[in-house]
Amino acid sequence: QQQVKQSPQSLIVQKGGISIINCAYENTAFDYFPWYQQFPGKGPALLIAIRPDVSEKKEGRFTISFNKSAKQFSLHIMDSQPGDSATYFCAASRGSTLGRLYFGRGTQLTVWP
Amino acid sequence: DAGVIQSPRHEVTEMGQEVTLRCKPISGHNSLFWYRQTMMRGLELLIYFNNNVPIDDSGMPEDRFSAKMPNASFSTLKIQPSEPRDSAVYFCASRMTMKEFFGPGTRLTVL
Repeated sequence: QQQVKQSPQSLIVQKGGISIINCAYENTAFDYFPWYQQFPGKGPALLIAIRPDVSEKKEGRFTISFNKSAKQFSLHIMDSQPGDSATYFCAASRGSTLGRLYFGRGTQLTVWP
Repeated sequence: DAGVIQSPRHEVTEMGQEVTLRCKPISGHNSLFWYRQTMMRGLELLIYFNNNVPIDDSGMPEDRFSAKMPNASFSTLKIQPSEPRDSAVYFCASRMTMKEFFGPGTRLTVL
């Protein structure tokens, strides 16, 4: 059973456009929601993360929007660049430093120049 | 810091052979995770350790898979005997707070 559901599976965006990736979860005990970015041949790397006490977190061109009542969160990439082309994973955990992450299936983003 | 170190980076072996993947976590990190990544199944957690103790191995697919963490700076994932369906990229990750850092992965091909 997939604890975190991610969509779309793939996304093609033109340079300068906005990329939006969505995730949904069921377990209300989750309280830590990171996004990871993975380039071909590399391991995933933490991009940005949010706790449910805020509805939005922004770091540069990357923004997480969080809707606690809907149990959904999304990643927005503003002014998308070809260098953003990668696979993006959302994840969730209970927030304990001893717990595990539950990952979504990933979204392959391609940004055309 | 060198980050999480994995070896070998690539491994090609024949069905039935034993395969050992190695991981050196980031110094000071007290949690270590082994993942497997395939196109079909995505990123799967196989097992994780806290303070060198295995906490959850429910993701280990079969008894052919085993993992050890004899000390805070080293872990192994062993597959014996290996099968073609074990072909995947295996990642090790370590963590101290909530930030999980992944290694570069080992690409395993079982012929």
